[in-house]
Order: sequence, then structure tokens, then C-alpha cells
Amino acid sequence: NAGVMQNPRHLVRRRGQEARLRCSPMKGHSHVYWYRQLPEEGLKFMVYLQKENIIDESGMPKERFSAEFPKEGPSILRIQQVVRGDSAAYFCASSPRTDEKLFFGSGTQLSVL
Amino acid sequence: KNEVEQSPQNLTAQEGEFITINCSYSVGISALHWLQQHPGGGIVSLFMLSSGKKKHGRLIATINIQEKHSSLHITASHPRDSAVYICAVRVDYGGATNKLIFGTGTLLAVQP
Repeated sequence: NAGVMQNPRHLVRRRGQEARLRCSPMKGHSHVYWYRQLPEEGLKFMVYLQKENIIDESGMPKERFSAEFPKEGPSILRIQQVVRGDSAAYFCASSPRTDEKLFFGSGTQLSVL
Repeated sequence: KNEVEQSPQNLTAQEGEFITINCSYSVGISALHWLQQHPGGGIVSLFMLSSGKKKHGRLIATINIQEKHSSLHITASHPRDSAVYICAVRVDYGGATNKLIFGTGTLLAVQP
């Protein structure tokens, strides 16, 4: 049973480009969470999704950021027109239910040049 | 003031020592998580608890809901325990959300 898979592990983008981060939850997990860890800062909640639904996106910036978790395939965190301040580690986690322990992916380190 | 506070921020211990990391929070919660993050970034969930005490190997986590406080203990510490330990709370909004608020972490270094 593979763990939570995130790819790419490292992503380099120039300012103004789009970044797509992928997360495949553990088998049997229908709840996905995205978190961001800015340099020298703690983890911050971004968005919580279940299959085909966004449950809570209160931590997501209103512009340029979007997330989806389609019926088939991985969850995608999309950042349009990236800026230097988007450089961070983005972690995905999954759980089978909301009251269960979380399992984290290895993260995607986004660097914006 | 952060809603989740951890202490100490940095901790250096000698191998074999008993270690305690504390977490205090100021919001109503439905659960508390202890996470471990090693250099290079990977995050492992150690415990999720909503009351009492849990033990796994050399790790023990306790929570006091009335006092809004949790502790993570490591017995017989080892250099491989060196990592950042993060406390996170699931805020009780009474709804379906599973939003976590994180502490800033405790950097633990265990010296041989």
C-alpha cells in the first residue's frame, strides 16, 4: 500500500508561469488536504477536499490559487502567474475520514526565479 | 499571539535523556496531532489524540482538554530522534471541516 505520493519533488518556475502540483492519496483515502510551509515559517492550512468537492478553502489565497480532486486521478494544486513569494514547500496529506490520523506526502518544493 | 504555542523552540539533549515538548492552545479543539519533520522535509504523523494518553514505542503523548495543554515525551532519546516536532490542533467549528492550526515547531537535537 503506497503512501501519499506527491510530484514533482522539486519544481522551478519563472515569475508569471503556472505551477501544477499533484497529490495521489493513499488507497482508500477520500479526504485530501494541502498545506504550505514558507521559508522559516510554520505549516499553514490551505484547502480540504473530498472527491469532486472543496470542503474548506479558507486558507487559500483568493487569487491565482485553485485546487481540485477529480473523481479519477490525483488532486491538483494549481498556482497561476507565480510570484517569488509563492516559493515554499507544499505538502499534501490524506485520511480515510475526518477523525482519522493524517498521512503526509514528501512535499513539493516550489522555487520561483 | 499564536493560537498554538510550543515550548521550547529549540532543545538540545544528550543521548538517553528523557525529553518533554509542550503545546498549549487557546481555541476549542476536537483533536490534537503531534507530527515529526526530519531535515529534508518529510512529515510523519506520530499521534492524534482527543483525550488522555497514547504510547508508541519510546514516545508518549498526553493531553489535558480542560487546561488546553498537551505534552510529547521521548524516553531514552537517541540521535535519530533529532527532528522538528510540530503540534497541530483541529479546531472545533462544529462543521465538516478538518482545518489544522500548527505550532511553529520544536527543533530537537540529540547528541551522542
